[in-house]
Amino acid sequence: DTAVSQTPKYLVTQMGNDKSIKCEQNLGHDTMYWYKQDSKKFLKIMFSYNNKELIINETVPNRFSPKSPDKAHLNLHINSLELGDSAVYFCASSRPGGGGYTFGSGTRLTVV
Amino acid sequence: AQSVTQLDSQVPVFEEAPVELRCNYSSSVSVYLFWYVQYPNQGLQLLLKYLSGSTLVKGINGFEAEFNKSQTSFHLRKPSVHISDTAEYFCAVSSDRGTDKLIFGTGTRLQVFP
Repeated sequence: DTAVSQTPKYLVTQMGNDKSIKCEQNLGHDTMYWYKQDSKKFLKIMFSYNNKELIINETVPNRFSPKSPDKAHLNLHINSLELGDSAVYFCASSRPGGGGYTFGSGTRLTVV
Repeated sequence: AQSVTQLDSQVPVFEEAPVELRCNYSSSVSVYLFWYVQYPNQGLQLLLKYLSGSTLVKGINGFEAEFNKSQTSFHLRKPSVHISDTAEYFCAVSSDRGTDKLIFGTGTRLQVFP
């Protein structure tokens, strides 16, 4: 059983389109995150949700909208995609006490 | 707020040689420290973590790291590397609540040569 699963794994789309990435965790964690890894491998936090509530929003364009229908799911919707949105997006989850942050396998988004 | 510095962007090393990947952090609060490995075109895998207690932490694949509070460092070491260790290594820090954001360093590319 995959602990943190993301779909799709690859996403190729044209500029201006709207797309969504889904994330689900079966670890019972309360906190979930979206990270963006750019072409230079730099990993940056985008959003964090705790029990379906947004707690971190790191200066991300408002074309990006996270949605958490329940604490096991955190989806990322992106409107009007731009070339600069091309990156690998990682979902993660964690629990109090530092047991660890578990990452999904990533979604490679390519905007053409 | 926390920050992480990985001074070496690339570390080339021959197989069976020892390696050290450096990581320094800054924080105004107590922290948890992590090392993650990313193999080509794959996700992030936790190598090891420091939460509290013994400052020498052992992880998977023969890696270990030492937490040094006075030098604010958490360097990763392996006594003898294999070709299969070729990957990107990320040091990361979070506050000691465990549910705050994880802040990553810029990564170190370990390249092991035969």
